[in-house]
Amino acid sequence: DVKVTQSSRYLVKRTGEKVFLECVQDMDHENMFWYRQDPGLGLRLIYFSYDVKMKEKGDIPEGYSVSREKKERFSLILESASTNQTSMYLCASTRGGPYEQYFGPGTRLTVT
Amino acid sequence: KQEVTQIPAALSVPEGENLVLNCSFTDSAIYNLQWFRQDPGKGLTSLLLIQSSQREQTSGRLNASLDKSSGRSTLYIAASQPGDSATYLCASQRGNTPLVFGKGTRLSVIA
Repeated sequence: DVKVTQSSRYLVKRTGEKVFLECVQDMDHENMFWYRQDPGLGLRLIYFSYDVKMKEKGDIPEGYSVSREKKERFSLILESASTNQTSMYLCASTRGGPYEQYFGPGTRLTVT
Repeated sequence: KQEVTQIPAALSVPEGENLVLNCSFTDSAIYNLQWFRQDPGKGLTSLLLIQSSQREQTSGRLNASLDKSSGRSTLYIAASQPGDSATYLCASQRGNTPLVFGKGTRLSVIA
């Protein structure tokens, strides 16, 4: 079975802190994605990557950066956390091309 | 830009009923259509993937169909159970590009 894991299920951070969210997949997938999910707004794409050291901006990249140094790991970085970044963050991966996408369990981030 | 719509936003049915969830998309040149299930506070679980060359896929009590010409997909759930209560999302993909998601239909199956 494909497995996508995220480093934390719940996280509480203070405004201004630098926050790292880690995502690891074990199926040698080329593509990895970071989304945030908020009530009424649905899933919104933050960043994605089609290969190691490659990254592409999604629909809402402001306030975020990413890192992909190894194929299996895709990190989302909040440079200076703000209260409006309180959200559910979901990581996903897929093989390159039109294939099934798999999601991690999500990280519920609260910024106070 | 592709838009994916799911109507209704919420649906409540009695246990045992057969039901259909709807998904519509604006760009018919899609490569595939994927259905997901999401339980509260959890990640998304992939249910079915329909490639553009296929018209339907089945898994257990679930059947998903795809009509590219009309820009519609449906997820049919047979003999619904309380354990089917969840939010169901559909997403379309064009080539090797990110999925475009609908906002989901929240299903409640009442015992």
